[in-house]
Amino acid sequence: SQTIHQWPATLVQPVGSPLSLECTVEGTSNPNLYWYRQAAGRGLQLLFYSVGIGQISSEVPQNLSASRPQDRQFILSSKKLLLSDSGFYLCAWSLERLYGYTFGSGTRLTVV
Amino acid sequence: GQQVMQIPQYQHVQEGEDFTTYCNSSTTLSNIQWYKQRPGGHPVFLIQLVKSGEVKKQKRLTFQFGEAKKNSSLHITATQTTDVGTYFCAGISSGSARQLTFGSGTQLTVLP
Repeated sequence: SQTIHQWPATLVQPVGSPLSLECTVEGTSNPNLYWYRQAAGRGLQLLFYSVGIGQISSEVPQNLSASRPQDRQFILSSKKLLLSDSGFYLCAWSLERLYGYTFGSGTRLTVV
Repeated sequence: GQQVMQIPQYQHVQEGEDFTTYCNSSTTLSNIQWYKQRPGGHPVFLIQLVKSGEVKKQKRLTFQFGEAKKNSSLHITATQTTDVGTYFCAGISSGSARQLTFGSGTQLTVLP
């Protein structure tokens, strides 16, 4: 069966520090991969998606970047965190965009 | 761009009462998906509807897709405390290459 792993679960980082969040999927090949951000009590904002290795699409301009170095690995990064980067970051995968998404357990990032 | 709106934003019900959340899109949708996010958790895929006027049931949950494929609803009969959480709808505009757009969610509180 397919599983998605996301870590760390919580993270507290100072302003200006770098960020690297990792997500891996098991049990499937060539999945669509997504990074979402959820502000407290708010909806889900799509940050990046990838339909294949090295293929990254950005939905909103921001202080973040994403990479897909392997088929089932998706990484969210920042060189210098801002206070506004705080939030709940969720990785998700789907077979393709018209299928249901499976979300990871998320990373709660607090930038202080 | 595509907008997906959900109402109400918050709903408090007494256990045993019914609950309905509504989802409206500014554009015709290819599909509509529904997710549930428990407090402190991640969104979990519930169901997908693709046909005009489609109705699907999962135990006490009834999902409808409007005839014009621009709106949807989720109805829970006789709510239980386990129904607590935020319910999100999400859809993709017909003929669009864009990814899934999530509504802002309805946060359901069930009072025992």
